[in-house]
Formats: sequence, structure tokens, C-alpha cells
Amino acid sequence: DAGITQSPRYKITETGRQVTLMCHQTWSHSYMFWYRQDLGHGLRLIYYSAAADITDKGEVPDGYVVSRSKTENFPLTLESATRSQTSVYFCASTSTDTQYFGPGTRLTVL
Amino acid sequence: AQSVTQLDSQVPVFEEAPVELRCNYSSSVSVYLFWYVQYPNQGLQLLLKYLSGSTLVKSINGFEAEFNKSQTSFHLRKPSVHISDTAEYFCAVSDGEYGNKLVFGAGTILRVKS
Repeated sequence: DAGITQSPRYKITETGRQVTLMCHQTWSHSYMFWYRQDLGHGLRLIYYSAAADITDKGEVPDGYVVSRSKTENFPLTLESATRSQTSVYFCASTSTDTQYFGPGTRLTVL
Repeated sequence: AQSVTQLDSQVPVFEEAPVELRCNYSSSVSVYLFWYVQYPNQGLQLLLKYLSGSTLVKSINGFEAEFNKSQTSFHLRKPSVHISDTAEYFCAVSDGEYGNKLVFGAGTILRVKS
């Protein structure tokens, strides 16, 4: 199906482990985004990408790494997970003037 | 820097009553404004948007919002809510740059009671 998919949908990990969240879109949109959603904060931008091999930091990038070797994929890596990174993570892409969101990944760091 | 304030964290309302969810923004440049809705355990869906032109914008399911530049507001309204409108609503602003990079408010939970 066309759209944005995220995997896994749920993940439990331990402090200090590396975790990669996957995001795939079928529209060939140039811009892609990663947000985290926390109670009382709404969604905050972690990283975004204008095209393959072009990425930039958002509001809360510390502790995260992104890459974009192909237009359709935009993985987010937590290099050494911390409890403060327990959150719901959303990937999005932009068509013209509207962002479309994936279903989210609920990450718990123990 | 842009910011968005949603003045109410929760709004309880009875079914068929009117509702207003408030949103104020700050920005030094021209803005695009959005309302997104999130149903439980789902992603965000675009509800409506203001880009330019008419300041009153409407969604297909009866919501509307009015862009008020002088008051820097973009309040969401519905004249008669349904149980199915229970969700969290997010207001967001963009300056149109960088693929419409969004700044979100903290969200308002709309609880519709029967």
C-alpha cells in the first residue's frame, strides 16, 4: 500500500543499547522528518532531511543519528538508549504543503 | 523562532454541543497553519490548513478554523460534536521553508460525553 510505514510499531530495549527505528515512504517525497511525542510537549522535531544524503538537526537531536541513502528510507538510530528517550516516534514526509505521518513507533527504554 | 500555544490541555463537552479549541502562535514571518487530529493509538491526520486566501477554512467532517492575523490565532470550532470526535487535536505552524517544517502545540484532548 502507498504511504508511510514505520517499523517496529513497538519496541522495548535496555539502557545503553543501540536501537534503529525504520521509516519508509512510497511517494518519493523529498522532505522527511522524525518527531517524538511526549505528554505535555506535543510533537518535537528531532531531525529532518531535504533529500538523499542531506539531513539537518531539529529541536531535540541529542542522542539520535539519522541517515538517508535512499529517498524512500529515513532510519533513526539511538546510539545508546536512555530512559529519557522513552517516547512515541513519528516519521513524516511532505507533499507540496502538507505533512503526512506514519503510524508511530512506541519505544520503551528500561 | 516560532511557537504555538494551545490554551486548553483538555476540553470536556457533551455530545451535540459546540466546541472551540484555542490556538495562538508567534512568528515573525508569514505562516502556514494546520490542525491535526490523533485518534487513540494512531498517527496524526491532517484536519484542515490555512495557506493563503480566505481566512476561514473548513474540514469535510464539520470542523472549521479562522486565521486571525491581528490576534495571531487559529482557533478550531465545531457547532455540534459527536462521540467520534473524541481525540487529541494539535495546532501547528510553519513558515513554509524546509518542506514545511512544523512547530506543534502541546495538544488538546477533546472528550465528548454522551
